[in-house]
Amino acid sequence: QQQVKQSPQSLIVQKGGISIINCAYENTAFDYFPWYQQFPGKGPALLIAIRPDVSEKKEGRFTISFNKSAKQFSLHIMDSQPGDSATYFCAASPSGNQFYFGTGTSLTVIP
Amino acid sequence: SAVISQKPSRDICQRGTSLTIQCQVDSQVTMMFWYRQQPGQSLTLIATANQGSEATYESGFVIDKFPISRPNLTFSTLTVSNMSPEDSSIYLCSVLPGAEAFFGQGTRLTVV
Repeated sequence: QQQVKQSPQSLIVQKGGISIINCAYENTAFDYFPWYQQFPGKGPALLIAIRPDVSEKKEGRFTISFNKSAKQFSLHIMDSQPGDSATYFCAASPSGNQFYFGTGTSLTVIP
Repeated sequence: SAVISQKPSRDICQRGTSLTIQCQVDSQVTMMFWYRQQPGQSLTLIATANQGSEATYESGFVIDKFPISRPNLTFSTLTVSNMSPEDSSIYLCSVLPGAEAFFGQGTRLTVV
């Protein structure tokens, strides 16, 4: 059973556009929701993370929106750049122990 | 933060053989994790390795196939035993020095 559901599987965005990736979860014990960025041949790297006590977190061009009642969270990449082309994984964790990952979104930003 | 060095970065192995993957962390950490990432797929946790105790394996993974060592707080190994083509995957180690998970660059294994 997939603990964290992620969509879309792939995404193509024009340079300067907004990329939006969505995730949903069921387990209310999850209290930490990170997003990871992975380039080919590299391990995942933490991009941004949020805890359920806030509804939004912004770091530069990257924003997480969190809806606790709907058990959904999303990543927004503003002003998307070709260098943002990568695979993005959402994840959820109960108290920072085991991490459950979404299935990943392959983002391509077209110049 | 944590810097993880994982070796080898890639290997091509014959079926029936074994490969040991090493994971070295630049700081002491209590928990180390081993993940498998099959082509185009998400990360699946294989096991959690704690120093001084046996690793805890997730459903579908067994110690005979994926023996793990954790001799100290900065090092761990994962062995993929009696390999078959189905074991072709990327294997990643991960640590949790705090709330954030850090990953090695992965070992890309191809079994022929």
